[in-house]
Amino acid sequence: DQQVKQNSPSLSVQEGRISILNCDYTNSMFDYFLWYKKYPAEGPTFLISISSIKDKNEDGRFTVFLNKSAKHLSLHIVPSQPGDSAVYFCAAWTAGGTSYGKLTFGQGTILTVHP
Amino acid sequence: ETGVTQTPRHLVMGMTNKKSLKCEQHLGHNAMYWYKQSAKKPLELMFVYNFKEQTENNSVPSRFSPECPNSSHLFLHLHTLQPEDSALYLCASSQDSGRSYEQYFGPGTRLTVT
Repeated sequence: DQQVKQNSPSLSVQEGRISILNCDYTNSMFDYFLWYKKYPAEGPTFLISISSIKDKNEDGRFTVFLNKSAKHLSLHIVPSQPGDSAVYFCAAWTAGGTSYGKLTFGQGTILTVHP
Repeated sequence: ETGVTQTPRHLVMGMTNKKSLKCEQHLGHNAMYWYKQSAKKPLELMFVYNFKEQTENNSVPSRFSPECPNSSHLFLHLHTLQPEDSALYLCASSQDSGRSYEQYFGPGTRLTVT
């Protein structure tokens, strides 16, 4: 049972345009949602997060939108740059009634930004 | 060294070998994690350590044996692995497991079991 899904394995965008990466989840108990970015031969690095009580969080060129009724979140990158080319992972976090929390990841979307 | 480091970066081992993966974090964190990433699959949490105590074992086979001697170091001891265990093994850390939504990852060890 995959609780966090990224249905698009890849996305190709022209430099300067908007990149929109999508993520769906099934567990309404998630408290935080995060996006991680991964370059080849490196570990995932934290990009941006949003609390479940918010619907939007913006950080520079990156904005995350959360639609709780649809159990959907998206990451917008504007304008896209070639250096943004990487694998983007959506992740969701819940304490789950334990003394520690747990991150659940999607499969990742490969973003390619063409010059 | 800064952040989270992992050694070795690549490892090829036979099914009868015993090897260990090492992770070290230089962030002053108290929680450490092992993840497995197989091809075309999401990252799967394997183990969680909080203040050196194991708080999560995500139904991982006993051929994987974690060790956390202190809050900065984490090992994954491997023995009699199977070819399907070939994957990228990632280590991560967070301030403590209660704030595990802010995890910092190492570069991973690419493991191939022959």
